[in-house]
Amino acid sequence: GEDVEQSLFLSVREGDSSVINCTYTDSSSTYLYWYKQEPGAGLQLLTYIFSNMDMKQDQRLTVLLNKKDKHLSLRIADTQTGDSAIYFCAESMGSNTGKLIFGQGTTLQVKP
Amino acid sequence: NAGVTQTPKFRILKIGQSMTLQCTQDMNHNYMYWYRQDPGMGLKLIYYSVGAGITDKGEVPNGYNVSRSTTEDFPLRLELAAPSQTSVYFCASSRNEKLFFGSGTQLSVL
Repeated sequence: GEDVEQSLFLSVREGDSSVINCTYTDSSSTYLYWYKQEPGAGLQLLTYIFSNMDMKQDQRLTVLLNKKDKHLSLRIADTQTGDSAIYFCAESMGSNTGKLIFGQGTTLQVKP
Repeated sequence: NAGVTQTPKFRILKIGQSMTLQCTQDMNHNYMYWYRQDPGMGLKLIYYSVGAGITDKGEVPNGYNVSRSTTEDFPLRLELAAPSQTSVYFCASSRNEKLFFGSGTQLSVL
């Protein structure tokens, strides 16, 4: 069945770049997403990429999609302490119902 | 717009009790969802709805019920609470396959 896998933890120093990786299984996914969850809050859509794109850049965020390897990454440039959060990768289930499958989340710790 | 609003934020239930988690959205989205988030895990879909009067099961529907009488509201009902239902529950709505989440309900069943 469909599955989304992420590493659980990443620690970086303030000012460095962070790269969070994700693998997925459903090649029919229309969109792939990155959500951010701050403590005690709901998930916030950070960015997304359409499945026919290889890269998307949005200010400090760069999303890379390798469809052959079913690998998605999120790069955060100049990481700030305010970027500390849990980052979830998600893929759409391809049924046009908006249903998503989420990875287990990567906790990003940014040290000053 | 308030977006997606969930109540309550926290609740403790005893085993066997019932409760309803409320969810309302003011964005006129047809699609709504209930997810649960267990520690160290991703979100699992409980139920979803593609419009008023239409609901369907997700990955983990057992022990839950939903209804969708209006576009705005999508309550989640727990009939006989069990410790396995201790979790954080998120309601969401979507447009163009982008989900917008509420802030969650933390539920403990003791």
